[in-house]
Amino acid sequence: GAVVSQHPSRVICKSGTSVKIECRSLDFQATTMFWYRQFPKQSLMLMATSNEGSKATYEQGVEKDKFLINHASLTLSTLTVTSAHPEDSSFYICSATSAGGPSNEQFFGPGTRLTVL
Amino acid sequence: GQSLEQPSEVTAVEGAIVQINCTYQTSGFYGLSWYQQHDGGAPTFLSYNALDGLEETGRFSSFLSRSDSYGYLLLQELQMKDSASYFCAALYAGNNRKLIWGLGTSLAVNP
Repeated sequence: GAVVSQHPSRVICKSGTSVKIECRSLDFQATTMFWYRQFPKQSLMLMATSNEGSKATYEQGVEKDKFLINHASLTLSTLTVTSAHPEDSSFYICSATSAGGPSNEQFFGPGTRLTVL
Repeated sequence: GQSLEQPSEVTAVEGAIVQINCTYQTSGFYGLSWYQQHDGGAPTFLSYNALDGLEETGRFSSFLSRSDSYGYLLLQELQMKDSASYFCAALYAGNNRKLIWGLGTSLAVNP
């Protein structure tokens, strides 16, 4: 149980285009979903926290107009990287906590590797 | 601010025991988690300590001392497949219970 999927797993796009990444909890309802980015050999950096039906809470330094988050249901959150540039190339990972489980455990999706040319 | 410190690299041999330490700042601290991440993969949950003491799960154990703002992950009977990055992450009280992550410890297990 507690499976989280992400789509796509890998995307290559041209500079200036927008990219949407989906995060789904497959077998549980997610109280909260988190979006991270991770550069090679570095730690996870929390970008934002989202709850179903409410606005996402962005971490300091993360541009909310550039990284649009929509949490449409208890099983789906999307991250849209708008007008992507090469410096946005990174590994984007989502995680979720279960409405029926301990809030300390986050279940992670497999990640999306974004390359902006 | 809130931050966690852990060693950047550890090397060990198969069958050995390794301890990865983590110190954290206390403001609003709720509990300490440990995650494992293999290259190119997503983090996977290993353990969580909210109370002082040792939690054992198979070959892995985790310890917390709230008075010392310190915890560790103990890996026993190391196997080659344990080569990965290990992150401590602190759960802080407040909205959404977000995790604050350490920078990670890269563990290399050699034959």
